[in-house]
Amino acid sequence: SYELTQPLSVSVALGQTARITCGGNNIGSKNVHWYQQKPGQAPVLVIYRDSNRPSGIPERFSGSNSGNTATLTISRAQAGDEADYYCQLWDSSTVFGGGTKLTVL
Amino acid sequence: EVQLVESGGGLVQPGGSLRLSCAASGFTFSSYAMTWVRQAPGKGLQWVSVISGSGGSTDYADSVKGRFTISRDNSKNTLYLQMNSLRAEDTAVYYCAKDQVVGGTGFLMDYWGQGIQVTVSS
Repeated sequence: SYELTQPLSVSVALGQTARITCGGNNIGSKNVHWYQQKPGQAPVLVIYRDSNRPSGIPERFSGSNSGNTATLTISRAQAGDEADYYCQLWDSSTVFGGGTKLTVL
Repeated sequence: EVQLVESGGGLVQPGGSLRLSCAASGFTFSSYAMTWVRQAPGKGLQWVSVISGSGGSTDYADSVKGRFTISRDNSKNTLYLQMNSLRAEDTAVYYCAKDQVVGGTGFLMDYWGQGIQVTVSS
């Protein structure tokens, strides 16, 4: 089955840019979606089909996907961005990455 | 406003059964595939099952195949997950989620319920 690899944690200074990666075999050929989950809350879709933002998601959130790596970029990171982030795609079935905990310092 | 509200969770003994429900509102329920996703304590998200808008097509994760059954009642705008032969490793928060695309296949979830706890323990 298809596997998605995410770093366990990423740290970013307040106001700087955070990049969270999601690795997979030829992932650039697939549609990747990203979810944000804060403690005790349900996941929220923040990027879909590699680089599209749902309504209500700040422009600071962007995504890219090429080769073997998809990337979620959070510009001008804020304390409220601290959360777990999951990448997800479909490959015969729905697959989630293991999740990355973003810490804003 | 889209709302998804899960119910039916609780504590059950190993080998027991439980049926989860997800009441939907704020959208044309029958037009969208629906998905169940679970999250074990301190762990990541795990896809469980998906059902098409009509209910005619379903799929399951290998870990629950043969034990769980997904269904829906479009007249009641409600999604279900019948869980049989429960194991300790089924302990998790269970979320229902709506597909983003009308007539889609459930591979992109734009709205999620708040989740319901299922604990399997003796």
